[in-house]
Amino acid sequence: DQQVKQNSPSLSVQEGRISILNCDYTNSMFDYFLWYKKYPAEGPTFLISISSIKDKNEDGRFTAFLNKSAKHLSLHIVPSQPGDSAVYFCAASGWGNQFYFGTGTSLTVIP
Amino acid sequence: NAGVTQTPKFRILKIGQSMTLQCTQDMNHNYMYWYRQDPGMGLKLIYYSVGAGITDKGEVPNGYNVSRSTTEDFPLRLELAAPSQTSVYFCASSYSPRQLAGNTIYFGEGSWLTVV
Repeated sequence: DQQVKQNSPSLSVQEGRISILNCDYTNSMFDYFLWYKKYPAEGPTFLISISSIKDKNEDGRFTAFLNKSAKHLSLHIVPSQPGDSAVYFCAASGWGNQFYFGTGTSLTVIP
Repeated sequence: NAGVTQTPKFRILKIGQSMTLQCTQDMNHNYMYWYRQDPGMGLKLIYYSVGAGITDKGEVPNGYNVSRSTTEDFPLRLELAAPSQTSVYFCASSYSPRQLAGNTIYFGEGSWLTVV
């Protein structure tokens, strides 16, 4: 059973505009969330995290939002750049020994 | 600063052969993980370890074995390779899955395995 879901397999955005990537989770015990970026033929690399005590965490062009009541998190990229084109994974952890990953969203930023 | 190193990067196996994917980390992390990623799919956990001598199954453990004799190393063994094991394998490590300042999971660059 997929506990972390990314319902949009792909997203295309014009350069300079905002990219919004979404992620939903089902387990209310999750309290720590991360976003990863993956280029082809490379391993995922960490982008930004957000804990359940916050509803927003900002790092440069990247902002992570958390809505605990809706069990929803999102990643905003502003402004989007062609180099941001990659697959983005959200991940969650909580009571157990694992990180649970979503299926990924492929972002294409069009110059 | 090597981080997580996994080898080999590419390998072609024949059906029924066995092999070991090596993984080592130099960050003194307690937790180590093996994931596989099939084309167009997300990351599925195969096995994980919470420390030397302790391993546990993830979501898709069938056809694989692991061991953790040291903190640094977490090899993944494929016994009797099957075409369904054609995938990209990622080793990863973290200090903990808990929300601690600066805590995150670090990935290796991946190992591309094809079983023919």
